[in-house]
Amino acid sequence: NAGVTQTPKFRVLKTGQSMTLLCAQDMNHEYMYWYRQDPGMGLRLIHYSVGEGTTAKGEVPDGYNVSRLKKQNFLLGLESAAPSQTSVYFCASIDARLKQYFGPGTRLTVT
Amino acid sequence: KQEVTQIPAALSVPEGENLVLNCSFTDSAIYNLQWFRQDPGKGLTSLLLIQSSQREQTSGRLNASLDKSSGRSTLYIAASQPGDSATYLCALKTSYDKVIFGPGTSLSVIP
Repeated sequence: NAGVTQTPKFRVLKTGQSMTLLCAQDMNHEYMYWYRQDPGMGLRLIHYSVGEGTTAKGEVPDGYNVSRLKKQNFLLGLESAAPSQTSVYFCASIDARLKQYFGPGTRLTVT
Repeated sequence: KQEVTQIPAALSVPEGENLVLNCSFTDSAIYNLQWFRQDPGKGLTSLLLIQSSQREQTSGRLNASLDKSSGRSTLYIAASQPGDSATYLCALKTSYDKVIFGPGTSLSVIP
């Protein structure tokens, strides 16, 4: 039982490049969230999903897209990376009691 | 608009002391409140989850309380240890699509 995993752990991108972050959970949870964590800003919700095939915008969705083709996977995409997207990205999976389980994070730097 | 504060921002105590961390919020309409710890460069580890209808939860040396009428939650740590050194975050789930994190309290337990 791996819980919530995230790949990659680290990534450096040049401005304008694209990439996809993968979050996987093996707890059969319906809800999954993507956050970013920035110094002085705390954790902010980017996008979320309430089930396979559904996604919705959170607090800071601009510049990101998501997909939930399989229940266990939630993908976060950056189509054209910008320096403002330098951050640590966390995925969380939420159980029926609305308890959140976090992945280890992806540290992204955009130069 | 819901606002979450955590005071103090940083706390340093000698090993063995009991301590209390505070989380204050402005709107009592919440689903639940969850306490996390975050070690430097790591993800978030869930400590305790208090549902809106509950008053407190306990796990080992940790006890969390929730008083919605006063907009306050406390995390009590008994007999603190150096391994408790971390940043402690509270997170309020205000609806199925909204989670608001506090800025965190950085705890240092001195041997």
